[in-house]
Amino acid sequence: QVQLQESGPGLVKPSQTLSLTCTVSGGSISSGDYYWSWIRQPPGKGLEWIGYIYYSGSTYYNPSLKSRVTISVDTSKNQFSLKLSSVTAADTAVYYCARDNSGYELSDWGQGTLVTVSS
Amino acid sequence: QSALTQPPSASGSPGQSVTISCTGTSSDVGGYNYVSWYQQHPGKAPKLMIYEVSKRPSGVPDRFSGSKSGNTASLTVSGLQAEDEADYYCSSYAGSNNFEIHVVFGGGTKLTVL
Repeated sequence: QVQLQESGPGLVKPSQTLSLTCTVSGGSISSGDYYWSWIRQPPGKGLEWIGYIYYSGSTYYNPSLKSRVTISVDTSKNQFSLKLSSVTAADTAVYYCARDNSGYELSDWGQGTLVTVSS
Repeated sequence: QSALTQPPSASGSPGQSVTISCTGTSSDVGGYNYVSWYQQHPGKAPKLMIYEVSKRPSGVPDRFSGSKSGNTASLTVSGLQAEDEADYYCSSYAGSNNFEIHVVFGGGTKLTVL
Protein backbone atom coordinates (compact mmCIF):
# COMPACT_ATOMS: atom_id res chain seq x y z
CA GLN A 1 0.00 0.00 0.00
CA VAL A 2 1.29 3.43 -0.91
CA GLN A 3 2.50 5.69 1.89
CA LEU A 4 3.16 9.42 1.75
CA GLN A 5 5.28 11.55 4.08
CA GLU A 6 5.57 15.33 4.10
CA SER A 7 8.79 17.08 5.08
CA GLY A 8 10.04 20.65 5.26
CA PRO A 9 10.48 23.65 7.55
CA GLY A 10 7.85 24.14 10.21
CA LEU A 11 8.41 27.89 10.38
CA VAL A 12 8.55 30.33 7.48
CA LYS A 13 8.92 34.10 7.63
CA PRO A 14 6.33 36.37 6.02
CA SER A 15 7.00 37.21 2.35
CA GLN A 16 9.26 34.16 1.97
CA THR A 17 8.59 30.95 0.08
CA LEU A 18 7.17 27.87 1.75
CA SER A 19 8.73 24.66 0.43
CA LEU A 20 7.54 21.15 1.22
CA THR A 21 8.38 17.72 -0.15
CA CYS A 22 6.25 14.58 -0.19
CA THR A 23 8.09 11.26 -0.33
CA VAL A 24 6.10 8.37 -1.75
CA SER A 25 6.83 4.77 -0.79
CA GLY A 26 5.16 1.52 -1.72
CA GLY A 27 4.63 2.56 -5.32
CA SER A 28 6.25 4.50 -8.13
CA ILE A 29 5.13 8.08 -8.59
CA SER A 30 5.59 7.81 -12.35
CA SER A 31 3.51 4.70 -12.86
CA GLY A 32 -0.21 4.58 -12.86
CA ASP A 33 -2.87 7.11 -13.59
CA TYR A 34 -2.70 9.22 -10.46
CA TYR A 35 -2.80 12.86 -9.45
CA TRP A 36 -0.31 13.81 -6.73
CA SER A 37 -1.96 16.47 -4.60
CA TRP A 38 -1.46 19.08 -1.94
CA ILE A 39 -4.21 20.14 0.47
CA ARG A 40 -4.03 22.41 3.50
CA GLN A 41 -6.03 22.98 6.66
CA PRO A 42 -5.64 26.12 8.79
CA PRO A 43 -5.77 25.39 12.54
CA GLY A 44 -9.35 24.68 13.59
CA LYS A 45 -10.69 25.21 10.08
CA GLY A 46 -11.69 23.24 7.02
CA LEU A 47 -9.80 21.79 4.09
CA GLU A 48 -8.56 23.71 1.06
CA TRP A 49 -7.37 22.03 -2.11
CA ILE A 50 -4.10 23.58 -3.37
CA GLY A 51 -3.40 21.67 -6.56
CA TYR A 52 -1.91 18.56 -8.09
CA ILE A 53 0.53 17.25 -10.60
CA TYR A 54 -0.56 14.48 -12.94
CA TYR A 55 1.77 11.53 -13.41
CA SER A 56 2.50 12.91 -16.90
CA GLY A 57 3.81 16.14 -15.36
CA SER A 58 0.85 18.42 -16.05
CA THR A 59 -0.08 20.68 -13.18
CA TYR A 60 -3.45 22.04 -12.08
CA TYR A 61 -3.92 24.64 -9.35
CA ASN A 62 -6.61 26.22 -7.23
CA PRO A 63 -7.37 29.51 -9.01
CA SER A 64 -7.19 31.44 -5.75
CA LEU A 65 -3.58 30.31 -5.17
CA LYS A 66 -2.41 29.82 -8.72
CA SER A 67 -0.23 32.93 -8.89
CA ARG A 68 1.83 31.79 -5.89
CA VAL A 69 1.92 27.98 -6.23
CA THR A 70 4.30 25.63 -8.01
CA ILE A 71 4.04 21.84 -7.77
CA SER A 72 6.81 19.75 -9.26
CA VAL A 73 7.90 16.11 -9.31
CA ASP A 74 11.25 14.34 -8.99
CA THR A 75 10.69 10.82 -10.27
CA SER A 76 14.27 9.76 -9.48
CA LYS A 77 13.57 10.33 -5.79
CA ASN A 78 9.89 9.33 -5.95
CA GLN A 79 8.98 12.72 -4.53
CA PHE A 80 6.79 15.66 -5.42
CA SER A 81 7.07 19.16 -4.01
CA LEU A 82 5.10 22.28 -3.19
CA LYS A 83 6.33 25.85 -3.31
CA LEU A 84 4.10 28.68 -2.12
CA SER A 85 5.56 32.16 -2.51
CA SER A 86 4.95 35.45 -0.70
CA VAL A 87 3.44 33.78 2.33
CA THR A 88 1.48 35.58 5.02
CA ALA A 89 0.03 34.50 8.36
CA ALA A 90 -3.06 33.34 6.44
CA ASP A 91 -0.94 30.56 4.95
CA THR A 92 -0.36 29.02 8.39
CA ALA A 93 -1.85 25.54 8.15
CA VAL A 94 -1.31 21.81 8.29
CA TYR A 95 -0.21 20.86 4.79
CA TYR A 96 -1.09 17.40 3.50
CA CYS A 97 0.13 15.56 0.45
CA ALA A 98 -2.15 12.93 -1.03
CA ARG A 99 -2.69 10.60 -3.95
CA ASP A 100 -5.80 11.27 -5.99
CA ASN A 101 -7.32 8.59 -8.19
CA SER A 102 -9.31 10.75 -10.57
CA GLY A 103 -8.64 14.41 -9.86
CA TYR A 104 -11.30 14.59 -7.17
CA GLU A 105 -10.83 11.48 -4.98
CA LEU A 106 -8.07 11.80 -2.40
CA SER A 107 -7.59 8.14 -1.53
CA ASP A 108 -4.25 8.14 0.30
CA TRP A 109 -2.94 10.88 2.59
CA GLY A 110 0.25 11.76 4.37
CA GLN A 111 0.10 12.49 8.08
CA GLY A 112 0.36 16.24 7.49
CA THR A 113 2.89 18.83 8.59
CA LEU A 114 2.21 22.11 10.36
CA VAL A 115 3.75 25.17 8.76
CA THR A 116 3.60 28.40 10.72
CA VAL A 117 4.20 31.75 9.04
CA SER A 118 5.68 34.14 11.56
CA SER A 119 8.60 36.48 11.96
CA GLN B 1 -15.69 29.40 -6.06
CA SER B 2 -17.59 29.27 -2.76
CA ALA B 3 -17.27 26.46 -0.28
CA LEU B 4 -20.01 23.90 -0.02
CA THR B 5 -22.43 24.33 2.89
CA GLN B 6 -22.55 21.74 5.66
CA PRO B 7 -24.22 21.93 9.07
CA PRO B 8 -21.57 22.60 11.72
CA SER B 9 -22.75 19.74 13.91
CA ALA B 10 -24.79 16.55 13.93
CA SER B 11 -25.39 13.93 16.57
CA GLY B 12 -27.00 10.60 17.26
CA SER B 13 -27.05 7.79 19.77
CA PRO B 14 -25.27 4.46 19.23
CA GLY B 15 -27.20 2.30 16.79
CA GLN B 16 -29.12 5.22 15.30
CA SER B 17 -28.72 6.73 11.84
CA VAL B 18 -27.61 10.27 11.08
CA THR B 19 -27.52 12.14 7.79
CA ILE B 20 -25.18 15.03 6.99
CA SER B 21 -26.04 17.36 4.12
CA CYS B 22 -23.73 19.16 1.72
CA THR B 23 -25.29 21.91 -0.37
CA GLY B 24 -23.67 23.44 -3.40
CA THR B 25 -24.81 24.79 -6.75
CA SER B 26 -25.44 23.57 -10.26
CA SER B 27 -21.80 24.41 -10.97
CA ASP B 28 -20.46 21.84 -8.55
CA VAL B 29 -22.60 19.30 -6.65
CA GLY B 30 -25.52 19.56 -9.02
CA GLY B 31 -23.44 19.53 -12.16
CA TYR B 32 -21.24 16.49 -11.61
CA ASN B 33 -21.44 13.09 -9.93
CA TYR B 34 -18.06 13.69 -8.36
CA VAL B 35 -18.90 14.24 -4.70
CA SER B 36 -16.61 12.74 -2.08
CA TRP B 37 -16.85 12.48 1.69
CA TYR B 38 -13.92 12.40 4.13
CA GLN B 39 -13.76 11.43 7.80
CA GLN B 40 -11.22 13.15 10.03
CA HIS B 41 -10.46 12.23 13.61
CA PRO B 42 -8.68 14.83 15.78
CA GLY B 43 -5.03 15.22 14.89
CA LYS B 44 -5.30 12.76 12.03
CA ALA B 45 -5.34 13.01 8.26
CA PRO B 46 -8.70 12.80 6.49
CA LYS B 47 -9.85 9.42 5.19
CA LEU B 48 -11.87 8.91 2.01
CA MET B 49 -15.23 7.36 2.90
CA ILE B 50 -17.35 7.92 -0.22
CA TYR B 51 -16.47 8.88 -3.80
CA GLU B 52 -18.52 9.57 -6.92
CA VAL B 53 -21.55 10.34 -4.73
CA SER B 54 -22.23 6.83 -3.46
CA LYS B 55 -19.25 4.51 -3.99
CA ARG B 56 -17.32 3.13 -1.02
CA PRO B 57 -13.57 2.47 -1.14
CA SER B 58 -12.45 -0.97 -0.08
CA GLY B 59 -12.47 -1.32 3.68
CA VAL B 60 -15.12 1.32 4.42
CA PRO B 61 -18.06 -0.22 6.30
CA ASP B 62 -21.37 -0.39 4.44
CA ARG B 63 -22.87 1.57 7.32
CA PHE B 64 -21.64 4.61 5.38
CA SER B 65 -23.67 5.57 2.32
CA GLY B 66 -23.91 8.58 0.04
CA SER B 67 -26.57 10.06 -2.18
CA LYS B 68 -27.39 13.22 -4.12
CA SER B 69 -30.49 15.13 -5.07
CA GLY B 70 -30.15 18.25 -7.15
CA ASN B 71 -27.54 20.53 -5.61
CA THR B 72 -27.43 18.69 -2.27
CA ALA B 73 -25.39 15.61 -1.44
CA SER B 74 -25.86 13.59 1.72
CA LEU B 75 -23.82 11.19 3.83
CA THR B 76 -25.75 8.74 5.98
CA VAL B 77 -24.13 6.81 8.80
CA SER B 78 -26.28 3.91 9.95
CA GLY B 79 -25.84 1.92 13.13
CA LEU B 80 -23.77 4.67 14.73
CA GLN B 81 -20.71 3.52 16.64
CA ALA B 82 -18.49 5.42 19.02
CA GLU B 83 -15.61 5.41 16.53
CA ASP B 84 -17.76 7.28 14.01
CA GLU B 85 -17.38 10.43 16.11
CA ALA B 86 -15.28 12.68 13.91
CA ASP B 87 -15.38 15.62 11.53
CA TYR B 88 -16.82 14.94 8.10
CA TYR B 89 -16.05 16.96 4.98
CA CYS B 90 -17.69 16.83 1.59
CA SER B 91 -16.00 17.89 -1.61
CA SER B 92 -17.06 18.30 -5.20
CA TYR B 93 -15.43 18.71 -8.56
CA ALA B 94 -16.51 22.00 -10.08
CA GLY B 95 -15.07 22.02 -13.58
CA SER B 96 -11.76 22.99 -15.13
CA ASN B 97 -10.26 25.39 -17.66
CA ASN B 98 -6.84 26.76 -18.55
CA PHE B 99 -5.06 24.27 -16.26
CA GLU B 100 -7.19 25.39 -13.33
CA ILE B 101 -9.13 22.67 -11.59
CA HIS B 102 -11.97 23.65 -9.36
CA VAL B 103 -12.41 21.37 -6.37
CA VAL B 104 -14.39 22.73 -3.47
CA PHE B 105 -14.75 21.45 0.08
CA GLY B 106 -17.51 21.90 2.59
CA GLY B 107 -16.83 23.60 5.90
CA GLY B 108 -17.07 20.33 7.82
CA THR B 109 -19.58 18.76 10.19
CA LYS B 110 -18.66 17.55 13.65
CA LEU B 111 -20.50 14.29 14.31
CA THR B 112 -21.05 13.49 17.97
CA VAL B 113 -22.10 10.05 19.15
CA LEU B 114 -24.13 10.65 22.28
